[in-house]
Amino acid sequence: DAGITQSPRHKVTETGTPVTLRCHQTENHRYMYWYRQDPGHGLRLIHYSYGVKDTDKGEVSDGYSVSRSKTEDFLLTLESATSSQTSVYFCAITGDSMNTEAFFGQGTRLTVV
Amino acid sequence: GESVGLHLPTLSVQEGDNSIINCAYSNSASDYFIWYKQESGKGPQFIIDIRSNMDKRQGQRVTVLLNKTVKHLSLQIAATQPGDSAVYFCAENKRGSNYKLTFGKGTLLTVNP
Repeated sequence: DAGITQSPRHKVTETGTPVTLRCHQTENHRYMYWYRQDPGHGLRLIHYSYGVKDTDKGEVSDGYSVSRSKTEDFLLTLESATSSQTSVYFCAITGDSMNTEAFFGQGTRLTVV
Repeated sequence: GESVGLHLPTLSVQEGDNSIINCAYSNSASDYFIWYKQESGKGPQFIIDIRSNMDKRQGQRVTVLLNKTVKHLSLQIAATQPGDSAVYFCAENKRGSNYKLTFGKGTLLTVNP
């Protein structure tokens, strides 16, 4: 299995509070992604990174920010959590070759109350 | 195929039968396709991939077929086993999308013993 660790695995937070999720990889892969998974929507891309300090928005980026200060860590921040951000969040990484599969972490279940 | 509303398409088969899971994609510029399996409480796991210059690829007990004319992808699982019960996603990488994978909504496969 690819070395991807997400933390925390579960979190309950209150509306309006900031939350940061961490994705750590040991594969030295260039590309990292944050997805959210909700019933009926599959996996939707929030943000992704194509290198240290290089990030871009996905299809559902509103309310989220990311940072990548080193290759191995990609942080996802909910600046002011809302109930609509209750979801399961997955981090993924891909290698540097064109057309390679993405490897996923185990997911973080976030509940905003 | 793709889900409608909140409900995943479902496929129920008997152990030992062959399973066929379908996926439609919309972008004719997509040039790389992947099938993922997701078991309950886990992240998606890579099963098999195919590039757009191919129309068939075989793995161990799995075959992916690509029909670019009608933009259709299928996953065939031979001799389906109870351990194959999971949600299956197709994903596509669109040319020029900077390695971003776009996922379908998934199909729930249930294998009855």
